[in-house]
Amino acid sequence: AQKITQTQPGMFVQEKEAVTLDCTYDTSDPSYGLFWYKQPSSGEMIFLIYQGSYDQQNATEGRYSLNFQKARKSANLVISASQLGDSAMYFCAMRVSMDTGRRALTFGSGTRLQVQP
Amino acid sequence: DAGITQSPRHKVTETGTPVTLRCHQTENHRYMYWYRQDPGHGLRLIHYSYGVKDTDKGEVSDGYSVSRSKTEDFLLTLESATSSQTSVYFCAITAFAGRNTIYFGEGSWLTVV
Repeated sequence: AQKITQTQPGMFVQEKEAVTLDCTYDTSDPSYGLFWYKQPSSGEMIFLIYQGSYDQQNATEGRYSLNFQKARKSANLVISASQLGDSAMYFCAMRVSMDTGRRALTFGSGTRLQVQP
Repeated sequence: DAGITQSPRHKVTETGTPVTLRCHQTENHRYMYWYRQDPGHGLRLIHYSYGVKDTDKGEVSDGYSVSRSKTEDFLLTLESATSSQTSVYFCAITAFAGRNTIYFGEGSWLTVV
């Protein structure tokens, strides 16, 4: 089964501190991609960062980095220097092969992050 | 901005009526997807399309149909809406297979009463 698990329904972090959002995945596909999205209270889905299964280095995008541990099947999102605007729902997703052999995203249930001043 | 527009953005409809949601994109992306979002479930794939008249079912396709007669439009139809289809519906695109970025539309809030 191909599955994404986010075990933290909610997280609190102090402004300017770093925070790690956990994501584990399960797939037998040797080629896959891992994504993180941010969903603020306004509802839109904002792409943050991507990691390919064959990428040798962890992905980084500004204050976002993805801690990719392939053997552990984990793809945790690290947000450095949290800001109040980082308060949102965060989703981990994996691009997987469907029954047809074509690919689509499967999502975790999300983590709600609240940044406190 | 990936040039994705969803319509309507908000709709209230009665049980048993048909409803069509439209996803329009302006950048000639080949791959398009419909997801629904419900509390505690993240986003779940309803249907997806790899091109004109080329569509497949996702994990929660029962009660939904789709059509893609033009590259730019991907329509999601609820043939006979039920209260369990009250949800937020997201359209998504990826430029081509293997591309590392998938973008979402702004969402369509559907309430079935």
